[in-house]
Amino acid sequence: GIQVEQSPPDLILQEGANSTLRCNFSDSVNNLQWFHQNPWGQLINLFYIPSGTKQNGRLSATTVATERYSLLYISSSQTTDSGVYFCAMDTGRRALTFGSGTRLQVQP
Amino acid sequence: DTAVSQTPKYLVTQMGNDKSIKCEQNLGHDTMYWYKQDSKKFLKIMFSYNNKELIINETVPNRFSPKSPDKAHLNLHINSLELGDSAVYFCASSQGQEAFFGQGTRLTVV
Repeated sequence: GIQVEQSPPDLILQEGANSTLRCNFSDSVNNLQWFHQNPWGQLINLFYIPSGTKQNGRLSATTVATERYSLLYISSSQTTDSGVYFCAMDTGRRALTFGSGTRLQVQP
Repeated sequence: DTAVSQTPKYLVTQMGNDKSIKCEQNLGHDTMYWYKQDSKKFLKIMFSYNNKELIINETVPNRFSPKSPDKAHLNLHINSLELGDSAVYFCASSQGQEAFFGQGTRLTVV
């Protein structure tokens, strides 16, 4: 099956800093999503982005499907951005395969 | 309105018991899923149903039995619970593209 690698595994930022999270995958994908799991355990949809670039406020994402990677940018980070960020993708088997996540801690 | 809702949110039970987790979605999606998140936060597909038909059944012990009475509901019944079943179970739904997740059920087996 598809291999999904996320980096870095852990990240500590000061409030206001910017960061880039990376997701590499080993096969072509139909769907690709980024999620934020907040400290209360909820999985929040950030982006549905099988290709191209999208922006939503301080967050943006880019997927280069031909090179098999996706990036999540967080600008001017806030303490509420803390949690675990997952990329997940579907290779056609109609279920998501998740990466192992990037654990982000934003300090005030 | 909650798009994907699952109950209960927390479940503490003794080894050997049987328990169920319920899931409902009001998005009109055809496909529903159960995912398991272990203690290391790793998320993995367990089951997938499309229009009430089972389409994915990962290597899950047969003590776990999903049931889909209609395409808006997918319940998970677990027999003879074991300590290793302790995890967070997420229900999700999709219409072939973006998937949406419920708030999770934290199951603790003691």
